[in-house]
Amino acid sequence: AQTVTQSQPEMSVQEAETVTLSCTYDTSESNYYLFWYKQPPSRQMILVIRQEAYKQQNATENRFSVNFQKAAKSFSLKISDSQLGDTAMYFCAFMKPYSNSGYALNFGKGTSLLVTP
Amino acid sequence: NAGVTQTPKFQVLKTGQSMTLQCAQDMNHEYMSWYRQDPGMGLRLIHYSVGAGITDQGEVPNGYNVSRSTTEDFPLRLLSAAPSQTSVYFCASSYAGYGYTFGSGTRLTVV
Repeated sequence: AQTVTQSQPEMSVQEAETVTLSCTYDTSESNYYLFWYKQPPSRQMILVIRQEAYKQQNATENRFSVNFQKAAKSFSLKISDSQLGDTAMYFCAFMKPYSNSGYALNFGKGTSLLVTP
Repeated sequence: NAGVTQTPKFQVLKTGQSMTLQCAQDMNHEYMSWYRQDPGMGLRLIHYSVGAGITDQGEVPNGYNVSRSTTEDFPLRLLSAAPSQTSVYFCASSYAGYGYTFGSGTRLTVV
């Protein structure tokens, strides 16, 4: 299985500031997908952003953007203008297509983000 | 459009009991998976399916069975519950590489 590492168990940021969550992964594949999921206290898993490895352009979704460094196997999430509603656990995930695992996700252990007033 | 529906939301079992966690999706997704979430461990893959009639084991399959008789349904069976199976269970479905849609989870406690 591919290894996904999130080195920051907990982070804190003030409202309206910018924060970056780190994620590295280990794979020998050249074609894959990377995701960031958000899990607020409600427990629901919410897809935040998706990146295709063959695309060099970094994905962006409103205040959320990624810095995808394929050679370094790094996939960080930047949250701009942080809001109280961004308080959640954030999971980085890897997906390998066309494999026996049928597009199953491998998750990191998560980063708990607290946004303070 | 309900997405992915999991039932029940909460369950308490006694050691040795069996039960089935239900999962249904109405998006005609081919790929479905079951994950368990434990504190500090992220989400770990239990079983997955690439289509009706096709299932396989994930990272932590012991003590669980699955079947996929239809595209919509992917139930997870606990054969003989153990305290180590106390966890939050998520079912999810996906269309190819577009990312998984998750159910709301089942919190299971085995006493």
